[in-house]
Amino acid sequence: DGGITQSPKYLFRKEGQNVTLSCEQNLNHDAMYWYRQDPGQGLRLIYYSQIVNDFQKGDIAEGYSVSREKKESFPLTVTSAQKNPTAFYLCASSLYRGNTEAFFGQGTRLTVV
Amino acid sequence: AQSVTQPDIHITVSEGASLELRCNYSYGATPYLFWYVQSPGQGLQLLLKYFSGDTLVQGIKGFEAEFKRSQSSFNLRKPSVHWSDAAEYFCAELTGGGNKLTFGTGTQLKVEL
Repeated sequence: DGGITQSPKYLFRKEGQNVTLSCEQNLNHDAMYWYRQDPGQGLRLIYYSQIVNDFQKGDIAEGYSVSREKKESFPLTVTSAQKNPTAFYLCASSLYRGNTEAFFGQGTRLTVV
Repeated sequence: AQSVTQPDIHITVSEGASLELRCNYSYGATPYLFWYVQSPGQGLQLLLKYFSGDTLVQGIKGFEAEFKRSQSSFNLRKPSVHWSDAAEYFCAELTGGGNKLTFGTGTQLKVEL
């Protein structure tokens, strides 16, 4: 089945540690996105990538980094510089920039203690 | 600033009753608009989208939405709600030159049996 896979579903890390969230898609989509979700705030865009080896900052990129070395993969690293990293993180993809529907993964809940 | 407003944080309806979830957009003269649904701890699923043409859009699971340019609104409706419709609903608009989806803060729907 085609889709987006995020792993792990739950992640616990100590404060001050970097952590990487995985996102893989087999939809052959060009564009990929990372969103952060907090209660009562909707989804906010962290980073997006339109093609391999290219990515752009979204609205809340500080404390995060990404890479896009392969079309199907768009990992997100939450660094120690992110002041409030505990959140639900959603990865999405679309056929190309701006195209119709964005498909979402099942999310990763990150808890920093 | 580009924004999508969902004025109702929580809505409770009885099973079988009609439903209307409100959404106001602010970005484009020709907006691209979406409604997504999210079950607890899950990713987002597209219900319907509006790009142009007929202002009444049909979606999955019996949902529809009406685009009203004069009111900058894109309200989601369902004639008869089922208990399984209990979830969080997000309105979104394509913004940033087509680079990203800007989401509203969501409406949590509770269905009473």
